[in-house]
Amino acid sequence: SQQGEEDPQALSIQEGENATMNCSYKTSINNLQWYRQNSGRGLVHLILIRSNEREKHSGRLRVTLDTSKKSSSLLITASRAADTASYFCATDEWETSGSRLTFGEGTQLTVNP
Amino acid sequence: DTGVSQDPRHKITKRGQNVTFRCDPISEHNRLYWYRQTLGQGPEFLTYFQNEAQLEKSRLLSDRFSAERPKGSFSTLEIQRTEQGDSAMYLCASSDGPSNEQFFGPGTRLTVL
Repeated sequence: SQQGEEDPQALSIQEGENATMNCSYKTSINNLQWYRQNSGRGLVHLILIRSNEREKHSGRLRVTLDTSKKSSSLLITASRAADTASYFCATDEWETSGSRLTFGEGTQLTVNP
Repeated sequence: DTGVSQDPRHKITKRGQNVTFRCDPISEHNRLYWYRQTLGQGPEFLTYFQNEAQLEKSRLLSDRFSAERPKGSFSTLEIQRTEQGDSAMYLCASSDGPSNEQFFGPGTRLTVL
């Protein structure tokens, strides 16, 4: 079953705008990872945030994690047309540590030039 | 190329036939994972190996599915007596330890006619 739930399911913005995607989950986690997937392709790892971290940055990406609310957000700043893709959060659950990631259904981001 | 590779990239088969997919992980990674992804959904965990040992299998993995990692390097996933419901993208990932980033291959897209 899918633990992570992304919100919104689809997001359309103009180039240069910021995009924010949210992810909620249900169980205790070791870490939460964000991935990008271009249509019909494999997943590209973006960033991992551990349960004892609250915020992490990588280039134009900013990820936050609130374990009390069991939620995370991914912010892409100054978006580009090339950022158009599906974005998934995936949780490494405490109970199954290291054995699997549990993915949400993803947010489809469209960045219009 | 030091990433995860999968072969073939696409496979079209007739219902009832057997198919086998191969995954070559990043060479120093001892953990290897198989996931399945259907259109519009996030990946779902199938099974994982630590070195040559298969340590966990999802309930999604029916008895028609078998996976091996005989020498702790590459892995194969075989589906016997394929059904139309097996049509999906089969993704392989590897990592160098528990609760670390999982790096995904490009996937094998299976179409069962």
